Amino acid sequence: GESVGLHLPTLSVQEGDNSIINCAYSNSASDYFIWYKQESGKGPQFIIDIRSNMDKRQGQRVTVLLNKTVKHLSLQIAATQPGDSAVYFCADKAGSNYKLTFGKGTLLTVNP
Amino acid sequence: KAGVTQTPRYLIKTRGQQVTLSCSPISGHRSVSWYQQTPGQGLQFLFEYFSETQRNKGNFPGRFSGRQFSNSRSEMNVSTLELGDSALYLCASSLRGSLDEQFFGPGTRLTVL
Repeated sequence: GESVGLHLPTLSVQEGDNSIINCAYSNSASDYFIWYKQESGKGPQFIIDIRSNMDKRQGQRVTVLLNKTVKHLSLQIAATQPGDSAVYFCADKAGSNYKLTFGKGTLLTVNP
Repeated sequence: KAGVTQTPRYLIKTRGQQVTLSCSPISGHRSVSWYQQTPGQGLQFLFEYFSETQRNKGNFPGRFSGRQFSNSRSEMNVSTLELGDSALYLCASSLRGSLDEQFFGPGTRLTVL
């Protein structure tokens, strides 16, 4: 993920809509990417991951898209539910480096 | 099976003191990573341990240190606390690190007065 900033981007959607959360990363050597969900008072929870040899991966109601050309990652959530309200972080890792670099996070609010 | 546990959950210290935080990984996990989370800087990597050895370290001053025991439990220590050390400290465990899924604990909320 990029160096974190002072403000948390926010996304507000209606229940049932699809959500798209975006993330830019800066390390061209990054080869593994993860999306995490963090609810208030809890630690981050793994959602889905993707390796650099793929450009799309689907899970249950979630899809991650990777564009290595522009170093961009997105998380699509289908039929967003109130329980999806949380902060979403992307993270990346390069090679044998065991360190995850996190993006700044996006606050998703789902309105019933 | 039980998740990652961190103790204590909340801690209040004063400047200049030192603190030790503990993390118990999921049974069978040998890799433990530590992160600092603040509103301004987000989630930042502190260090990662595997089989009692530190494999990687983030860009934090030497006041931040850690260790891992033979049962994979890990501790991190912060000496000479500063106001800016107030943060949520998160521990994550995985089987081997690297590409394995990391499971995070609930964190320890440290407040430095």
